[in-house]
Amino acid sequence: GAVVSQHPSRVICKSGTSVKIECRSLDFQATTMFWYRQFPKQSLMLMATSNEGSKATYEQGVEKDKFLINHASLTLSTLTVTSAHPEDSSFYICSATLTSGGLRETQYFGPGTRLLVL
Amino acid sequence: GENVEQHPSTLSVQEGDSAVIKCTYSDSASNYFPWYKQELGKRPQLIIDIRSNVGEKKDQRIAVTLNKTAKHFSLHITETQPEDSAVYFCAASTQGGSEKLVFGKGTKLTVNP
Repeated sequence: GAVVSQHPSRVICKSGTSVKIECRSLDFQATTMFWYRQFPKQSLMLMATSNEGSKATYEQGVEKDKFLINHASLTLSTLTVTSAHPEDSSFYICSATLTSGGLRETQYFGPGTRLLVL
Repeated sequence: GENVEQHPSTLSVQEGDSAVIKCTYSDSASNYFPWYKQELGKRPQLIIDIRSNVGEKKDQRIAVTLNKTAKHFSLHITETQPEDSAVYFCAASTQGGSEKLVFGKGTKLTVNP
């Protein structure tokens, strides 16, 4: 149980285009999903918290108009990198929290999406 | 906000030896402390977690200890094997609060055969 998928796993795009990344909880419902960015040999940096049916909460310094998040259902959250530039190239990882007995358990991570903007 | 410090940044041990990674946190409201293992290019995988009402938890070769007073927690891996080589991240969050995970900077563990 607690499987999170992410699509695509890898994407190369031209500067100025937009890229959509999907995050799905496959065998559980996730009211909350998180989006992280990870640079090579660095830790995970939280970008935003995505709540089903409401607006995402962005961390300080993360542009909400640049990184659009939609959490349309209890199993799907999407991150759209708009007008991508080379500096947006990174490893993007989502996670979802599994709720058990009224308590939110830990976060389970998707496999990540490697974005390269040329 | 919460700040998590992790040491050491790199750790090299011989197969069969023990490895210890330590983390400190700043927010006394934090009550949940997971540890993740991340292999190169892969997703972080939860290996063990501990809540603030427990001082120690063990799962086979892996154990975690928590000192709430000192605000630090540690990961202990015994009888290390080459497949334990990876980057390990500690994290802290407030269950029932924002529940955001704040990660340490990671420890690259190398187990030499």
